[in-house]
Amino acid sequence: ETGVTQSPTHLIKTRGQQVTLRCSSQSGHNTVSWYQQALGQGPQFIFQYYREEENGRGNFPPRFSGLQFPNYSSELNVNALELDDSALYLCASSFFGAGVNYGYTFGSGTRLTVV
Amino acid sequence: AQTVTQSQPEMSVQEAETVTLSCTYDTSESDYYLFWYKQPPSRQMILVIRQEAYKQQNATENRFSVNFQKAAKSFSLKISDSQLGDAAMYFCAYRSGSGSEKLVFGKGMKLTVNP
Repeated sequence: ETGVTQSPTHLIKTRGQQVTLRCSSQSGHNTVSWYQQALGQGPQFIFQYYREEENGRGNFPPRFSGLQFPNYSSELNVNALELDDSALYLCASSFFGAGVNYGYTFGSGTRLTVV
Repeated sequence: AQTVTQSQPEMSVQEAETVTLSCTYDTSESDYYLFWYKQPPSRQMILVIRQEAYKQQNATENRFSVNFQKAAKSFSLKISDSQLGDAAMYFCAYRSGSGSEKLVFGKGMKLTVNP
């Protein structure tokens, strides 16, 4: 059973640029969530995708967008990068069925630095 | 909105001894889940233990146990027989039992285990 894989592990971007982060869900999982973890803070929920549709969003601006693909992998896109977007971005997959979430598996994250 | 508070930013414990990590939360919901996650330097969030609010019995997983006080909205984690591998950041998290699937995290606490 494979876990959650995120790529790249580290990334440096310039303010104003766009970035795409990728996540491969754990085998059998149909839901993916993205979190932003600033230095010294707990993760903050960005959004969740279920069956390729956004299924909940946190307090993040529209320049944060995502996709979920038929194989349940996912992308997080951030446009017009700002210095405050520098953080660890965590992906978590889970299986949701019959109204029950069976628990999350997290990846090791992508460390994004905006300069 | 739900909030999770971890008031102790750092703690240390001697190997083989017991340590208790505290967490309080605020919610108006009656149906919810509480979690303790461990984040080692590898950055991956690892589930330590989970508690359903409707269960009166405190959850236990080997050396890890919780003290869930629903009326006081308190959810502490006890680690018995501490091991060097327990050293990590520990995060308390809340999830609603209905509606949103997002996890709400506290700011975390750094646990050091001294040999």
